Amino acid sequence: DIVMTQSPDSLGVSVGERATLKCKSSQTLLHFSNNKNYLAWYQYKPGQPPKLLIHWASMRQSGVPDRFSGSGSATDFTLTISSLQAEDVAVYYCQQYYSTPHTFGQGTKLEIK
Amino acid sequence: QVHLQESGPGLVKPSETLSLTCTVSSDSMDSYYWAWIRQPPGKRLEWVGHVFYRGSTTYNPSLKSRVTISVDTSKKQVSLRLTSVTAADTAVYHCARVADPAFYFDYWGPGTPVTVSS
Repeated sequence: DIVMTQSPDSLGVSVGERATLKCKSSQTLLHFSNNKNYLAWYQYKPGQPPKLLIHWASMRQSGVPDRFSGSGSATDFTLTISSLQAEDVAVYYCQQYYSTPHTFGQGTKLEIK
Repeated sequence: QVHLQESGPGLVKPSETLSLTCTVSSDSMDSYYWAWIRQPPGKRLEWVGHVFYRGSTTYNPSLKSRVTISVDTSKKQVSLRLTSVTAADTAVYHCARVADPAFYFDYWGPGTPVTVSS
């Protein structure tokens, strides 16, 4: 199985500041056939369904604010929130869909400092 | 817009069978895979498996011997059946739509908590 490891486990950022969340996979998620990275990011708030933010490592899902961006390739990925808003408080998960079983990171809890 | 809602008993006894239903509100279930994902308390999300609208399935090997996922497109429902449950199966269970054409999840249900306890 591909193991996904996120860092840090928790992060406190001031409103308006940048938040940087990391995700590392135990194997490459870059497929040679299409040069795409098989990685997604989700936002999970208590009492709400998880929300897809980013797929293919850097493609923002429709309707997601442009302060959210994804980057990285192969085994190292980053989710960046350029200017943190109060409503961004949540747990963020990365997920690989390169191979089954599809696996998730342990999550990063993002809070307001 | 696509909405998913899980339902089922919140308490199941050890060694018994867990059965959940996901009701899908969308124009059609056709052409999509539908998945179950769970999150035990304090642990990461875990993909349980998925079913194509025509019925073919793929399961997490860690659960494969105990899990069955099925679909009824006429009722717009996806079902999960997990046999011989233990306390380790205590979790919030989510259903989700698998995006086309890759296996990330673009719509999720809010989840239903299931506790395995006598």
